[in-house]
Amino acid sequence: GAVVSQHPSRVICKSGTSVKIECRSLDFQATTMFWYRQFPKKSLMLMATSNEGSKATYEQGVEKDKFLINHASLTLSTLTVTSAHPEDSSFYICSARDSRGRNEKLFFGSGTQLSVL
Amino acid sequence: AQSVTQLDSQVPVFEEAPVELRCNYSSSVSVYLFWYVQYPNQGLQLLLKYLSGSTLVESINGFEAEFNKSQTSFHLRKPSVHISDTAEYFCAVTRSSNTGKLIFGQGTTLQVKP
Repeated sequence: GAVVSQHPSRVICKSGTSVKIECRSLDFQATTMFWYRQFPKKSLMLMATSNEGSKATYEQGVEKDKFLINHASLTLSTLTVTSAHPEDSSFYICSARDSRGRNEKLFFGSGTQLSVL
Repeated sequence: AQSVTQLDSQVPVFEEAPVELRCNYSSSVSVYLFWYVQYPNQGLQLLLKYLSGSTLVESINGFEAEFNKSQTSFHLRKPSVHISDTAEYFCAVTRSSNTGKLIFGQGTTLQVKP
């Protein structure tokens, strides 16, 4: 079946540095990918919709200059947390939409645990 | 706006016992409902979904959920759980069946004990 690969699974960085998270669809092309964030014991919150070849659409309250999203190819979207601070520590997860066939399907990556020191 | 509430953050049960994971939603418009499961160190996987038709939907591994519009609920049930069912379960809603803009609940950790 279709698989979405997310890398890295865990990253620890110093405050002020930038971190890039990759989301790849391995056996299908995904024109649309989604980025979510999850705080401990909280819901997954949609951060932005990543569209191949165009600007991402951010949800209300999400800083687009802080969370840079690039969807340069049909199989790769990246989320860059710029100038990370401890409050950015969280679990980030991506999903990719597989539009092949009659019914669209959504596949999730395994997530990235970001810890900012 | 839609919202989802999963009333139980953790549900411990013994193997072969029945289980119910509760999910309630609020929405002013019709919604589509999903249950996702996340096994340790893996991504979320779709367990089952309600789009239309029969209000009782089933998964291939014995789970079922019933859409109850009057109670705005979509509780997940299994008559007899296995150790391998230990995972995090997320209830989610969306306004359209063809979108990834899902609104998730907080998740429920199902802990199956031998």
